[in-house]
This record gives sequence, structure tokens and C-alpha cells, in this order.
Amino acid sequence: ILNVEQSPQSLHVQEGDSTNFTCSFPSSNFYALHWYRWETAKSPEALFVMTLNGDEKKKGRISATLNTKEGYSYLYIKGSQPEDSATYLCAFLRGGSSNTGKLIFGQGTTLQVKP
Amino acid sequence: DVKVTQSSRYLVKRTGEKVFLECVQDMDHENMFWYRQDPGLGLRLIYFSYDVKMKEKGDIPEGYSVSREKKERFSLILESASTNQTSMYLCASSQGPTHTQYFGPGTRLTVL
Repeated sequence: ILNVEQSPQSLHVQEGDSTNFTCSFPSSNFYALHWYRWETAKSPEALFVMTLNGDEKKKGRISATLNTKEGYSYLYIKGSQPEDSATYLCAFLRGGSSNTGKLIFGQGTTLQVKP
Repeated sequence: DVKVTQSSRYLVKRTGEKVFLECVQDMDHENMFWYRQDPGLGLRLIYFSYDVKMKEKGDIPEGYSVSREKKERFSLILESASTNQTSMYLCASSQGPTHTQYFGPGTRLTVL
């Protein structure tokens, strides 16, 4: 059984705070790690996909890092804004013959940014 | 721009009815997926398809079936709807190698 774990489950911060969350995944048979943002009443949207150990991705105030050897990824939000309020999902893609395109999603971290 | 559409945003059905949820993508993607989302349970995979007429069970296939007769269309079928199938249903499509998934707007199904 493959498990993708995200922590914390939920987070409440004040506008302007910086925050980060963790995604842990199996360190064997790795192919890619995805981050999605899921806003209330909308569909999940892709933020980043990372494939190489040590990868760092950035989009505006949001960035992500990847450590495939120890099986974790961090998502950072600098200077949180109310519009950052959403559930952030990570998803693991296995490699090799197991790569059917099926992503294994974590339960998500729900971020609430108070003005 | 990528687009995944679902046939209905809201649907109300009665227990025992046969329900069809349709999903269409315009990206020529090989893979298509059906998930349901319930509070506190995240996204759970019901079925996915990696080619026309090919399908695989996901984590919670019981009570559901699927059909993929054309590459762009993936249908989820509830043979006999039950109240515990009341949920938000999301369709997605993807293509290799990294398989970023593109999601439809979702169908909120209520079974009375």
C-alpha cells in the first residue's frame, strides 16, 4: 500500500505570515511529485510538478522543494494573502512499469488566511 | 487552453435510479479518471482509463461502472443509485510522461 501523507491537516494564519506544509511519499520507485491548489467551489489546479531530487519550483509567492531520497516535499507560501486560502494537495507518481498515470493523492492541507 | 467538461453541475436522483455522469476532454489525453470527494476524505479514485475501452478499478469501485467508447469521453455509471453515493464527483484527464491531471468542474450528485 502506498501512502502519501500531508501535514498539517489544516492551518490558520494571519495575512502576511509565511507558512509551509509537508508532503511525504515513498522514496522508492519515484517518478514525479505534483502539487495542486484546490479552492472552495472550484476544481483542483496544478501548481507544480517536480521530477528530480533537489528540484525547486516557484510561482509568485509560492515555492516547492523536493527530496526524493528521503521522500518529502515542502510547499512554502511567503506573505500569505486571503486569496491563498485553499486546500493544497500533493500527489505521487510511481515510475517504471507501475507508471499507469495514476496519481496517489495525499489528504491535503487546508490553509485559511485571515485578513 | 485545456478543457475538461462534465455534463451536469448539480444532479438530484432517487434511490434505485440508474445515473450517468459524462466527462469530455478536448486535449486528446490518453488517461481519464473519476474521483469522488467527501468532507474529510480527500479525493478518492473510483475508476480510471488509460485507453479507449480500457479501464482499471480505483480505490472505491463498488457500486460504479465506467465506459470509454471514444478517447475524449469517459462515463461513470451508477447502476442503482443509493444515498451513500451522494457526493461531489470529479473527472480528470492526463497525458504522460509526468501526468499532470486536469480536472472538470465537478458534479454534485444528491441521491434521495
